[in-house]
Amino acid sequence: NAGVTQTPKFRVLKTGQSMTLLCAQDMNHEYMYWYRQDPGMGLRLIHYSVGEGTTAKGEVPDGYNVSRLKKQNFLLGLESAAPSQTSVYFCASSYRVAGELFFGEGSRLTVL
Amino acid sequence: AQSVTQPDIHITVSEGASLELRCNYSYGATPYLFWYVQSPGQGLQLLLKYFSGDTLVQGIKGFEAEFKRSQSSFNLRKPSVHWSDAAEYFCAVAVQGGGKLIFGQGTELSVKP
Repeated sequence: NAGVTQTPKFRVLKTGQSMTLLCAQDMNHEYMYWYRQDPGMGLRLIHYSVGEGTTAKGEVPDGYNVSRLKKQNFLLGLESAAPSQTSVYFCASSYRVAGELFFGEGSRLTVL
Repeated sequence: AQSVTQPDIHITVSEGASLELRCNYSYGATPYLFWYVQSPGQGLQLLLKYFSGDTLVQGIKGFEAEFKRSQSSFNLRKPSVHWSDAAEYFCAVAVQGGGKLIFGQGTELSVKP
C-alpha cells in the first residue's frame, strides 16, 4: 500500500552540485507532477507528465529537468543547484487530469 | 494563463464558528476546481472538487464549496469549525482537456478554543 514514494526525504547540497529526486507510484496513474512549496507561495508546478515518455513545463521550470522513462517513475533533476532551489518538493500522481491527486510525503532540499 | 488567488493568507476563527475561505480563479472557460488541505508536515488531501452540474458540492469532513461563474469564485465553507480543522487550505484549478493543475497561495486556518 505504498502509493506515492519520494526519495530522498532530506538532502543538503552545496551550490553547483547536482542531484536527482525520484518519485515512484504503484497506482498505474498516467499523470505525474512535481511541485515545490515555499512559505507564502503555495505549491508551484515545476514540470508534469501526462504519460510515459512525455513531459511538459509548469509554472517554474527553470533550473530543473525531468524524465518519465517508465510509467511508474518521474525523476526531477537539478543540474547545478542554487540557494533559490531550497524548498520542499512534492510529487503527485493522478489517474486523469481531473482526478484526485495523491501526494508523496515531500522531500526537503537545502542548498548552501 | 490560468491562475488562482486566495486573498486571505491567514484566518483565525473560534471553535464552533462558521468558516468561509475565498478562492478566485482566472480562466476563460469553466475549469475543474478543487480544494485541498495540508496538515503540518504532511502532503495534501483532497477535500472536494467541482467538474460540472450542481454548483454546490459537498466534501469530506463537513466541508462544502460553491462555484459562482459570475464571480469566478469557488469559496470553501463549513458551518461549525472544529479544532482539528486547523491546517493550510489550498484552492486549485485544472484546465479541461489539459494536464496542468495550478494551486493558489494557500490560506492558513487557526482555530481558537
